[in-house]
Amino acid sequence: GDSVTQMEGPVTLSEEAFLTINCTYTATGYPSLFWYVQYPGEGLQLLLKATKADDKGSNKGFEATYRKETTSFHLEKGSVQVSDSAVYFCALSAAGNNRKLIWGLGTSLAVNP
Amino acid sequence: EAGVAQSPRYKIIEKRQSVAFWCNPISGHATLYWYQQILGQGPKLLIQFQNNGVVDDSQLPKDRFSAERLKGVDSTLKIQPAKLEDSAVYLCASGGQGAYEQYFGPGTRLTVT
Repeated sequence: GDSVTQMEGPVTLSEEAFLTINCTYTATGYPSLFWYVQYPGEGLQLLLKATKADDKGSNKGFEATYRKETTSFHLEKGSVQVSDSAVYFCALSAAGNNRKLIWGLGTSLAVNP
Repeated sequence: EAGVAQSPRYKIIEKRQSVAFWCNPISGHATLYWYQQILGQGPKLLIQFQNNGVVDDSQLPKDRFSAERLKGVDSTLKIQPAKLEDSAVYLCASGGQGAYEQYFGPGTRLTVT
């Protein structure tokens, strides 16, 4: 079945460091891919998305590119801030699965000043 | 555009008591989801509605959990009787017709003592 694998956390970085959170997926067909962010005590927010191969999703300085050849959707940010401290979830949605989201386990990011 | 609304934000009950959560999705969104998120884990889909019909309730513990969306708009999730292991955040999400992404409310944090 469809699945998402994320790099394990926690990830701890200093402010202005470069961030990469790896995400790979297994799916039949051509899923849509998402990154969600969950700040402490809050619900999940859609951070960015990509719906087809080679699409690049971007938002708030974060980027991720849909790589079909490597079945990956890695999240990157060039310079993290303390306010980026949160849990990041990679997810996919496949058309033949009632558009149900398949989630990774989440990666906790802590950014120190 | 108003987001997904949920209430209450927090609830503390004793085991074997009952509890109900309410969700109002984004206006016009046909699909509504209820998730359970246990601390440190990703969200687990409990039930998915399309308008007022159930699309997927395969992971809903039907002996104690129930959900309804009578008029195809807002929804209620009930637990009766609650168990200690039901302590979690209950998230509601909605999605537009034909869309793959889901938009989440702030969640209800349930503590069962």
